[in-house]
Amino acid sequence: GESVGLHLPTLSVQEGDNSIINCAYSNSASDYFIWYKQESGKGPQFIIDIRSNMDKRQGQRVTVLLNKTVKHLSLQIAATQPGDSAVYFCAENTESNSGYALNFGKGTSLLVTP
Amino acid sequence: NAGVMQNPRHLVRRRGQEARLRCSPMKGHSHVYWYRQLPEEGLKFMVYLQKENIIDESGMPKERFSAEFPKEGPSILRIQQVVRGDSAAYFCASSLTSDSSVIGNTIYFGEGSWLTVV
Repeated sequence: GESVGLHLPTLSVQEGDNSIINCAYSNSASDYFIWYKQESGKGPQFIIDIRSNMDKRQGQRVTVLLNKTVKHLSLQIAATQPGDSAVYFCAENTESNSGYALNFGKGTSLLVTP
Repeated sequence: NAGVMQNPRHLVRRRGQEARLRCSPMKGHSHVYWYRQLPEEGLKFMVYLQKENIIDESGMPKERFSAEFPKEGPSILRIQQVVRGDSAAYFCASSLTSDSSVIGNTIYFGEGSWLTVV
């Protein structure tokens, strides 16, 4: 039958476990990548970013890994908490000196269960 | 709160009316971006502006949509003769510079304006 809407990929994890959210990008010229968290009815909230001259960056409880060979990005969340439940988007930017015309992925819904 | 401020947060318009969405960037930011988000989708870039200039409007629909960022006051996204398909969340974002290679420079989003066309 005809699809009438998109369904986000969903990742369900137990509280305290680690979460890994993946993202593939297609533009080999992309040089800046950002992960955003979006809760229902709110705007995208910056989590962590990484530039193409790096392959790993760590923040508080989060790590972003960049594999330019296979054009893959991942977000790892340590000790996932109920407050981490949200939709997570990766975004890429090209032409680093021409503003932030970001290209967003479709998003992954993270559900943290107690 | 010195974040990106958008208003109104929610707007209902009848088909054929005009919608005006306003955005004040973060303090000190002179680069403004508008994005649109349809339900269960990622954000789509629409337009990038600096004070009094449109830099990149490659994501803007060719008709009915316009944006401005005057010398004084907020940036405005204007949608004329709205149709049901314009129903979406419209997000404004701002950055200090246009260069994403600068360490510490990034883009910050507002909480969005939800437009419903009835």
